Amino acid sequence: EVQLVQSGAEVKKPGESLKISCKGSGYSFDTFWIGWVRQLPGKGLEWMGIIYPADSDTRYSPSFQGQVTISVDKSIGTAYLQWSALKASDTAIYYCAREYTKGGFDIWGQGTMVTVSS
Amino acid sequence: DIQVTQSPSSVSASVGDRVTITCRASQGVSSWLAWYQQKPGKAPRLLIYAASSLQSGVPSRFSGSASGTVFTLTISSLQPEDFATYYCQEAKSFPSLSFGGGTKVDIE
Repeated sequence: EVQLVQSGAEVKKPGESLKISCKGSGYSFDTFWIGWVRQLPGKGLEWMGIIYPADSDTRYSPSFQGQVTISVDKSIGTAYLQWSALKASDTAIYYCAREYTKGGFDIWGQGTMVTVSS
Repeated sequence: DIQVTQSPSSVSASVGDRVTITCRASQGVSSWLAWYQQKPGKAPRLLIYAASSLQSGVPSRFSGSASGTVFTLTISSLQPEDFATYYCQEAKSFPSLSFGGGTKVDIE
């Protein structure tokens, strides 16, 4: 079965760092782009950035450039999204997704809820 | 940057109704447009890719079409399981992309 499995929910304090993961299985992980999408509570989908595991080519949305870091460890089929200093406004659900064709994302992780509160 | 604007932001409909959702791109995106369905507490689900191609496993009552920079998602006969929020997403400058604001389809 082709799937993306994300790490579990996190509760952090402002200023703390965090790295969440997205593990792919059932397909050739290296050859499909993996994107990250944020969903604020009760709001729509926002594209954050995307990475190509084979060569780590990474692109960021201007809204998230410098705010997060996307990385990958292709040896274990896992992509990551990390923050160096969380803010309360980072409280959201974060999804990873596999790009299929023409920019459409066909496989989605289950989402990781990140709560940032003092 | 390319912007995509969805309309309406919400629509009330009944089972059996035909529902149409529109996505307008700020510039040409060719066929680099996808549609998703999201239900509360769930990840989005790809319905349509390349503007009009039906994703495997998606019921045929869903269809996508394009006319210039205007894209349309049509549900031909709304079913109870179709009440959800729908998003368009363009990727003309892939790997850069953007989502529309969403359209909530609820029960009239």
